[in-house]
Amino acid sequence: QKEVEQNSGPLSVPEGAIASLNCTYSDRGSQSFFWYRQYSGKSPELIMFIYSNGDKEDGRFTAQLNKASQYVSLLIRDSQPSDSATYLCAVNLNAGNNRKLIWGLGTSLAVNP
Amino acid sequence: GAVVSQHPSWVICKSGTSVKIECRSLDFQATTMFWYRQFPKKSLMLMATSNEGSKATYEQGVEKDKFLINHASLTLSTLTVTSAHPEDSSFYICSARRGWTRSYNEQFFGPGTRLTVL
Repeated sequence: QKEVEQNSGPLSVPEGAIASLNCTYSDRGSQSFFWYRQYSGKSPELIMFIYSNGDKEDGRFTAQLNKASQYVSLLIRDSQPSDSATYLCAVNLNAGNNRKLIWGLGTSLAVNP
Repeated sequence: GAVVSQHPSWVICKSGTSVKIECRSLDFQATTMFWYRQFPKKSLMLMATSNEGSKATYEQGVEKDKFLINHASLTLSTLTVTSAHPEDSSFYICSARRGWTRSYNEQFFGPGTRLTVL
């Protein structure tokens, strides 16, 4: 059973702080990793993806990947109340011709003004 | 770019009726689309993978005769919930894959359809 695990939270941070969201995965063959944000009652929206070890930065967001440790994280700098949402980690599972994403259960983030 | 639309955004129907939900990729071609279901405060549950021009691949436990999927073109996939019952009430979300290598599986989501079966 291929799994993606996230701490469900809630993770609470003050406005302006750095929020750190973590995700571990079980399939060593996974090649690409995604972070989605989902507001309550809405569908997920892609924040960023990463496929190489190291850091990838996009504005206030930084994704970090460590394939040896099977660990991917998302850092949100200068957190804003509008960042309050559930963050979903997804891992690309290559299962022959049936490529699909394996999803974590999500981490709820609350940014307090 | 990478916009996915879904229609309708919400629907209320009587038990026993069928409901069709459309998913369209507006500015890219999607050889693969995915259908998810999500219950309140729960995570996404993949129902099926829809490939253009071929039969959908259903996840374990999802009844293919109840949830009919048709991926007729590179920009349109439909999900029909047949003989809907109250327990089918949920938030149905489609996504379309815009991948350009075998490694990527970048999915873009439609806004979702909230189905309520009375």
